[in-house]
Amino acid sequence: AQSVTQLGSHVSVSEGALVLLRCNYSSSVPPYLFWYVQYPNQGLQLLLKYTTGATLVKGINGFEAEFKKSETSFHLTKPSAHMSDAAEYFCAVTPRGRGSTLGRLYFGRGTQLTVWP
Amino acid sequence: ETGVTQSPTHLIKTRGQQVTLRCSSQSGHNTVSWYQQALGQGPQFIFQYYREEENGRGNFPPRFSGLQFPNYSSELNVNALELDDSALYLCASSSMGEQYFGPGTRLTVT
Repeated sequence: AQSVTQLGSHVSVSEGALVLLRCNYSSSVPPYLFWYVQYPNQGLQLLLKYTTGATLVKGINGFEAEFKKSETSFHLTKPSAHMSDAAEYFCAVTPRGRGSTLGRLYFGRGTQLTVWP
Repeated sequence: ETGVTQSPTHLIKTRGQQVTLRCSSQSGHNTVSWYQQALGQGPQFIFQYYREEENGRGNFPPRFSGLQFPNYSSELNVNALELDDSALYLCASSSMGEQYFGPGTRLTVT
């Protein structure tokens, strides 16, 4: 079964500081990789995804993530945090290949990002 | 283009009751997936429907059942509600793999 680990359930940064949210997956074949954001009382919004090609992926709101196969990681970064970035962030994967339920997502437990003024 | 919508927004039920949650998929999307998000947890896959047929199921008991209609909208039914069923239920529609989530239905079981 797929497993997604997000290190740190809570991350706090000052406005303007670097944001780094960590995600590791556990499969021998690299899956499709996603980061979602969830604001209070809302559904999930896709920030970015990696399927193939360039390993540094740029998403919305200034976020980016780098796929590192050797480290089975897909960490999310943003150079300068903004107050509006405060939310919960979820890393998710979908296995590649036939037989997988179409686009079924396996989620990590989430990381709550707090941004201090 | 209309996004994914879910109804109701909030719901309070008593243990042992039955509940039906509804989801309207994004236009042109023939696949609907349902997820349960308990407080402080990541979403967990319940099941998926593709062209009105169940196409995969997560680790949920049979009292969780679903339906997809010809217009690709979907229902999630939960029988014999338990306290642990209290959660945010998310619906996601997709066409070519990428999933688009609705705002969710918050179910509270007392």
